[in-house]
Amino acid sequence: ELKVEQNPLFLSMQEGKNYTIYCNYSTTSDRLYWYRQDPGKSLESLFVLLSNGAVKQEGRLMASLDTKARLSTLHITAAVHDLSATYFCAVDIKGRPQGGSEKLVFGKGTKLTVNP
Amino acid sequence: DGGITQSPKYLFRKEGQNVTLSCEQNLNHDAMYWYRQDPGQGLRLIYYSQIVNDFQKGDIAEGYSVSREKKESFPLTVTSAQKNPTAFYLCASSTRPVRNQPQHFGDGTRLSIL
Repeated sequence: ELKVEQNPLFLSMQEGKNYTIYCNYSTTSDRLYWYRQDPGKSLESLFVLLSNGAVKQEGRLMASLDTKARLSTLHITAAVHDLSATYFCAVDIKGRPQGGSEKLVFGKGTKLTVNP
Repeated sequence: DGGITQSPKYLFRKEGQNVTLSCEQNLNHDAMYWYRQDPGQGLRLIYYSQIVNDFQKGDIAEGYSVSREKKESFPLTVTSAQKNPTAFYLCASSTRPVRNQPQHFGDGTRLSIL
């Protein structure tokens, strides 16, 4: 059974600081997704990581994937209040190099609060 | 605009009652999914469907049923056998096979017991 663990589950940080969220998974997969969820809202796709060594950046967020270590990171640079949300990683259970996502297993999420 | 529409936004269920949550997409996606989200938890897969007239159980299918008669629609019925239905339900869809795109999510239905 594929397990996906995120840490920390709660993160409170000050504006302007940097921090990293970690996503570990238990079996082989080479596709990983990061999503953002605002309170009471749906999930918004942030990044799709499709191969070992993949790195994607959007604004103050950068995601990377190390399939050998079964680890993905979401790095936050110079945090701002607007980044406050819950961030989920999700791993494709079949891990095929091609194809649309089939079954995803989600981590429990990291609730990020950025304080002024 | 293309997207996924879930209705209703809020739903209340009485004891012993079945309720149906609607999910419609106009993205021309083949695959559709239903997830349940409980407070402080990640999403757990209830059912998924890769093509019309076919669907598979996810990790927590007991007490739920689905149908996939049309490509655009994937309704979820929460039956009276589901003893703890209070949760946030999210429907998603995705392309398949070779597009490497993320799943797209609807805005969710919040279900509570009366």
